[in-house]
Amino acid sequence: EAQVTQNPRYLITVTGKKLTVTCSQNMNHEYMSWYRQDPGLGLRQIYYSMNVEVTDKGDVPEGYKVSRKEKRNFPLILESPSPNQTSLYFCASRQQGAGTEAFFGQGTRLTVV
Amino acid sequence: AQSVTQLDSQVPVFEEAPVELRCNYSSSVSVYLFWYVQYPNQGLQLLLKYLSGSTLVKGINGFEAEFNKSQTSFHLRKPSVHISDTAEYFCAVTGSGGYQKVTFGTGTKLQVIP
Repeated sequence: EAQVTQNPRYLITVTGKKLTVTCSQNMNHEYMSWYRQDPGLGLRQIYYSMNVEVTDKGDVPEGYKVSRKEKRNFPLILESPSPNQTSLYFCASRQQGAGTEAFFGQGTRLTVV
Repeated sequence: AQSVTQLDSQVPVFEEAPVELRCNYSSSVSVYLFWYVQYPNQGLQLLLKYLSGSTLVKGINGFEAEFNKSQTSFHLRKPSVHISDTAEYFCAVTGSGGYQKVTFGTGTKLQVIP
């Protein structure tokens, strides 16, 4: 089954404790992105990757890091989480090309206290 | 630069009534347009998309949308909604050609009332 898998689904952590949210896709997609979803703000892109070892900042990259060492994986790293990073996070992948459909993971609800 | 405006944050509608969810976009280049749906506790999934050709696009679950270039709109419609249509709906836009960032609107929550 074609899917994007994120882990964990729920996470509560404390300020400053490094964490990683994993994302893996099995569709051999070139493009992958991370978004955060906040009430009234919709989805905002954090980082994206056009292929292995090619990443770039989205609209709200501050406080986040990513890596793309393999085509299928695109982890999101919060090196020193803060309460304003409490949010619902989505990973998405899509084939190369402008009009292609994005496939989303189930989401990770992160709470930083 | 491109942007998407979904003016209605919430739309309540009675079951079996018609519904229209509004989407307006802004872009300096040719665009591709999408509607995604998010059911509770799930990720987004594609409802329909407009790339070119006929301006009336049909999607899954009986939804359709019409691309109107002069009004820069891409409104989503369904003639008769069901309880199962209760979800949040996102309009999205991307430029055509090469890698283009997808910009999402702020979403419209459709609440279907029994």
